[in-house]
Amino acid sequence: NAGVMQNPRHLVRRRGQEARLRCSPMKGHSHVYWYRQLPEEGLKFMVYLQKENIIDESGMPKERFSAEFPKEGPSILRIQQVVRGDSAAYFCASSSGANQETQYFGPGTRLLVL
Amino acid sequence: AQSVTQLDSQVPVFEEAPVELRCNYSSSVSVYLFWYVQYPNQGLQLLLKYLSGSTLVKGINGFEAEFNKSQTSFHLRKPSVHISDTAEYFCAVSAHNTDKLIFGTGTRLQVFP
Repeated sequence: NAGVMQNPRHLVRRRGQEARLRCSPMKGHSHVYWYRQLPEEGLKFMVYLQKENIIDESGMPKERFSAEFPKEGPSILRIQQVVRGDSAAYFCASSSGANQETQYFGPGTRLLVL
Repeated sequence: AQSVTQLDSQVPVFEEAPVELRCNYSSSVSVYLFWYVQYPNQGLQLLLKYLSGSTLVKGINGFEAEFNKSQTSFHLRKPSVHISDTAEYFCAVSAHNTDKLIFGTGTRLQVFP
């Protein structure tokens, strides 16, 4: 049973480019969460999605960031016009959605903006 | 809103010694509590969680934690650590009416031979 998969594992972008981060949840999971980990800090919640719906985006920056979880395919976190401050590790987690069911984390995508 | 404080950013300890990693939280509502471990360049793995019931929770790899409501704490303990326990440990909470996790800043456990 494959765990949460994220790709790419490492992503290098120049300022102003777009970054697309993908997350495939565990089999049978329909809930996806995105977290960002800045250097030397803990993880910060960004967004919570179910299939085709954004449930909670209270942690998403107001501009340049968007997320989706289509009916088919992985969840995508998209960062437009990246800046150096976007450099971080982005983790995806998934769960079955049952009350307080454990969130299982992927290995993360480490984004470096030059 | 909830917040989590992990006062110790680093904890050095010798192999086979006991260890306690401290976690305190604040919340105006009831919360669930979690400890995750992160090995270098990997994602987070759940060690244990407290949802309800017994305040002493046992997790994987010999770790346990005790929920203390009056002190708003959820300290993680292990009676005898191994070199392989060297990692970053994160305490997290979530309110009962939400699934999002609020994390502390982490404690780096370094086990020396």
